[in-house]
Amino acid sequence: NAGVTQTPKFQVLKTGQSMTLQCAQDMNHEYMSWYRQDPGMGLRLIHYSVGAGITDQGEVPNGYNVSRSTTEDFPLRLLSAAPSQTSVYFCASSSGTGHYEQYFGPGTRLTVT
Amino acid sequence: AQSVTQLDSQVPVFEEAPVELRCNYSSSVSVYLFWYVQYPNQGLQLLLKYLSGSTLVKGINGFEAEFNKSQTSFHLRKPSVHISDTAEYFCAVSGGNQGGKLIFGQGTELSVKP
Repeated sequence: NAGVTQTPKFQVLKTGQSMTLQCAQDMNHEYMSWYRQDPGMGLRLIHYSVGAGITDQGEVPNGYNVSRSTTEDFPLRLLSAAPSQTSVYFCASSSGTGHYEQYFGPGTRLTVT
Repeated sequence: AQSVTQLDSQVPVFEEAPVELRCNYSSSVSVYLFWYVQYPNQGLQLLLKYLSGSTLVKGINGFEAEFNKSQTSFHLRKPSVHISDTAEYFCAVSGGNQGGKLIFGQGTELSVKP
């Protein structure tokens, strides 16, 4: 049981480039989410999904796209990277919302120059 | 809307001393409260959670937290810390009118010194 996996671990992009951060979970969780972590700001929700085919915006969605074609995968796309998107990105999954524990991946450290 | 405030950004403490990490939340409805820990270069891991019932909640690694509804607080405590407790700790809230999504505080960096 691998839990939540994320690739890549590190990435450097130039301004304007696009890329996809991958996230997968093998726990058959319905709920998946993406957060970004910046110093002094905690974790902020970017996008989330309550099941395959259903996604919604979180607190800071601008500049990011998501889709959920399977229960297992929830990729995050940066369409045109900007220096303000330099951050550590975490994917998480849970059995549901509310009182359910969220399981986090190890993170992707992204630098945009 | 709900929000979470962690009152200390950094807490230095000596090994075997007690520690308290403070968390206040704001919400007009019932909420669920969580503490997560992040060790260096890792993802977050659940320490403990309050759903209902007893206001004193025990978690992993000897940590506990007390829910105080009148003061809207959920402070984390440990009677004797170890070097291995050095990490960043996040308080989070969900429930109410946020669709169950987790709202995190800014984090408290606990540094345990020998």
